[in-house]
Amino acid sequence: QSALTQTPSASGSPGQSVTISCTGTSNDIGNSNYVSWYQQQPGRVPKLLIYEVNKRPSGVPDRFSGSKSGTTASLTVSGLQADDEADYYCSSNTGGTSVVVFGGGTKLTVL
Amino acid sequence: EVQLVESGGDLVQPGGSLRLSCAASDFTFKDHYMTWVRQAPGKGLESVAKIRPDGSFKSYGDFVKGRFTVSRDNSQNLVFLQMNSLSVEDTAVYYCAREYWWRFDLWGRGTLVTVSS
Repeated sequence: QSALTQTPSASGSPGQSVTISCTGTSNDIGNSNYVSWYQQQPGRVPKLLIYEVNKRPSGVPDRFSGSKSGTTASLTVSGLQADDEADYYCSSNTGGTSVVVFGGGTKLTVL
Repeated sequence: EVQLVESGGDLVQPGGSLRLSCAASDFTFKDHYMTWVRQAPGKGLESVAKIRPDGSFKSYGDFVKGRFTVSRDNSQNLVFLQMNSLSVEDTAVYYCAREYWWRFDLWGRGTLVTVSS
């Protein structure tokens, strides 16, 4: 059982926007500025997309954006492209342990 | 090239042991936390173990239960994961990742550990 809860799947058509959510508790997302999102394309290594809730590493398109409200973090992918089809994972630090906790992942399908 | 390269994955019987290694290149290894993250076949990501830059602090996922030990050699730019009492549930790709403020900004390609009789 994952520490953070993500809906297993999401989908959208090319050009549309889709939002993926990640629900935690006051012990993690609710009291954290260190929420991250990762993209894992089929057969590939996870890639950092968003860190510290809403910051993008160099090279990540601004079509990807992050936000947080209470104990739920969100990743929005705008202008969907076929290449965005991947698994997306959220993560956060926690008050109880030093290791990072992950969500179970959301499989994004581009229709 | 800035990279992490894992090695040591293998097929091992339940109850057996394995030592994974991760070699870092082209960044100041001794300044960074390092973490092992695993991914079981068709499953999500899971933090395994984390080690402070100087090796003085280590933290583990709850499932480890004293079976795994993380260590590092800053003179050789290496981080290790010693895994004992392995069970079939430990079957996964094990990634080495550079951690900075609870984000993983550099990942290795992973090494596959299969626990099976």
